[in-house]
Amino acid sequence: RKEVEQDPGPFNVPEGATVAFNCTYSNSASQSFFWYRQDCRKEPKLLMSVYSSGNEDGRFTAQLNRASQYISLLIRDSKLSDSATYLCVVNIAGNTPLVFGKGTRLSVIA
Amino acid sequence: NAGVMQNPRHLVRRRGQEARLRCSPMKGHSHVYWYRQLPEEGLKFMVYLQKENIIDESGMPKERFSAEFPKEGPSILRIQQVVRGDSAAYFCASSTGADYGYTFGSGTRLTVV
Repeated sequence: RKEVEQDPGPFNVPEGATVAFNCTYSNSASQSFFWYRQDCRKEPKLLMSVYSSGNEDGRFTAQLNRASQYISLLIRDSKLSDSATYLCVVNIAGNTPLVFGKGTRLSVIA
Repeated sequence: NAGVMQNPRHLVRRRGQEARLRCSPMKGHSHVYWYRQLPEEGLKFMVYLQKENIIDESGMPKERFSAEFPKEGPSILRIQQVVRGDSAAYFCASSTGADYGYTFGSGTRLTVV
């Protein structure tokens, strides 16, 4: 089983739609969780950390379910500029490198 | 405050040559990580360094690849005797610790011809 698994997509949604991505992780001892965004041929950029209680940043909401070992990202009122690949990222222990999922591709269509 | 600086942005090497990729972390960051991304693939961890120390090199091929982060100067990822399969984007990231996420550089795109 892969350490971090994501549906590769693509998710093609119209502007204004709400879209949700899920990600599962294999190591129950994982400590920190993040969503990154990567545009085509660019570097990944931190979108948001994911906290146990769930957290929101504008149109973006992240949630963590430790019992089921999955993380979700919800994007409301999608914009064309949201088109990118969204990477689910997990830190297993404090001093170990982050593990990246392969990403979910989102295309927001006018 | 400059971000993570990588150079060169693009590097073309013939098979058998050496490739040297440089990374200067963000000011105040002492942790450096190198990742490789093949076309249409995810980011694969290669090596994690702190000043003058390799902390984890479990993702780096045993042969031809080496990395360093000297006391002075940037971190260097060196690939000797490059082969076509080494063609990829190599990203460097830095952090104050993994709990806070990483900041990535723009990457070096290596093409082996």
